[in-house]
Amino acid sequence: DAMVIQNPRYQVTQFGKPVTLSCSQTLNHNVMYWYQQKSSQAPKLLFHYYDKDFNNEADTPDNFQSRRPNTSFCFLDIRSPGLGDAAMYLCATTEVQGAQEQYFGPGTRLTVT
Amino acid sequence: RKEVEQDPGPFNVPEGATVAFNCTYSNSASQSFFWYRQDCRKEPKLLMSVYSSGNEDGRFTAQLNRASQYISLLIRDSKLSDSATYLCVVTLNTGFQKLVFGTGTRLLVSP
Repeated sequence: DAMVIQNPRYQVTQFGKPVTLSCSQTLNHNVMYWYQQKSSQAPKLLFHYYDKDFNNEADTPDNFQSRRPNTSFCFLDIRSPGLGDAAMYLCATTEVQGAQEQYFGPGTRLTVT
Repeated sequence: RKEVEQDPGPFNVPEGATVAFNCTYSNSASQSFFWYRQDCRKEPKLLMSVYSSGNEDGRFTAQLNRASQYISLLIRDSKLSDSATYLCVVTLNTGFQKLVFGTGTRLLVSP
């Protein structure tokens, strides 16, 4: 059974048109992460939530926002997507903030036209 | 300098071969070390943790050298299904355990 679910798996949006990616988890984990992974590059952490506490990485552009309305769901909002934002967006979870193994969802591949 | 560096490959090996990947990390304060496997267009999945004493899981052996800031992964008796990208990962304690990924080493096992 899927534990970390991401929808949609493929998303096409237009340059400048806001887009929201969603992640849900059935693990009841406290911590949820969003990563951006471009082709042939390492996953790059954008931000994470520890419960409702939001933690932004220093180099994450303001164009990227996130919401976590409850334990199970977390959203990634890209306010004005640029061509450079085309990437795979990965959601991951861990039970507690110090936990080491992260459980990844299958990712959403974003195309910007 | 990248925090975690790996040879991107690809490493092309025949079935049954033994192949070794290396990884170096720059932050001596790195706390934990892992190898993740990522198949094409899929999410990363934890392969194994890496300890200074070395650890083995079937055909896979991982080793850590803290003094040299060097991590290795050895795969014996390669299978076609081992074809994937292998990501070297370290954690930094920045108030939480932050995973820092290398760009990965691509392995192609051929019949």
